[in-house]
Amino acid sequence: LAKTTQPISMDSYEGQEVNITCSHNNIATNDYITWYQQFPSQGPRFIIQGYKTKVTNEVASLFIPADRKSSTLSLPRVSLSDTAVYYCLVGETDQFYFGTGTSLTVIP
Amino acid sequence: DTGVSQDPRHKITKRGQNVTFRCDPISEHNRLYWYRQTLGQGPEFLTYFQNEAQLEKSRLLSDRFSAERPKGSFSTLEIQRTEQGDSAMYLCASGRQPEAFFGQGTRLTVV
Repeated sequence: LAKTTQPISMDSYEGQEVNITCSHNNIATNDYITWYQQFPSQGPRFIIQGYKTKVTNEVASLFIPADRKSSTLSLPRVSLSDTAVYYCLVGETDQFYFGTGTSLTVIP
Repeated sequence: DTGVSQDPRHKITKRGQNVTFRCDPISEHNRLYWYRQTLGQGPEFLTYFQNEAQLEKSRLLSDRFSAERPKGSFSTLEIQRTEQGDSAMYLCASGRQPEAFFGQGTRLTVV
């Protein structure tokens, strides 16, 4: 399984765009990149998944460079309710191995 | 509510006792996962079922832990002879690619 490295924590002001980068140097050909969000005392929630280039949904965008050794989750115009832990997962589509995640705090 | 349901939500037990948790997945999902999460850490994979077959088990799943999924529907996770180190949130998820849908977990406290 490819190991992932993310910043431990980030702060952002409300209304700003937040970019969280995940490093996964040993990503395998069959691996997808998946991001989850977790609020305190709740289970993680799927945000977005991609394999290469760019994926966008109603919640976020995921940017993956050609070498796929990193990825960036982009949250547009964050609000206080986006304060949570964000996890980057790398693996085949039926594998869900979490790292320690990035704790995002949105400041008013 | 058609999400993943876990029961109980909280469990306090004395060291050495056995505990069992139940997970009811989303009905059309054939994949079911168990995770353990301690404070400040990400969820740790424990085991995974495809229908009733247990396909993968983490080395974290010691002999005291056993999981079943009879008939490919609900699943149970049993911990025998609980230890204080077993105190954690136990999360269940059911999957349909590319997502896993998580329940709210069972918080176990071993005293």
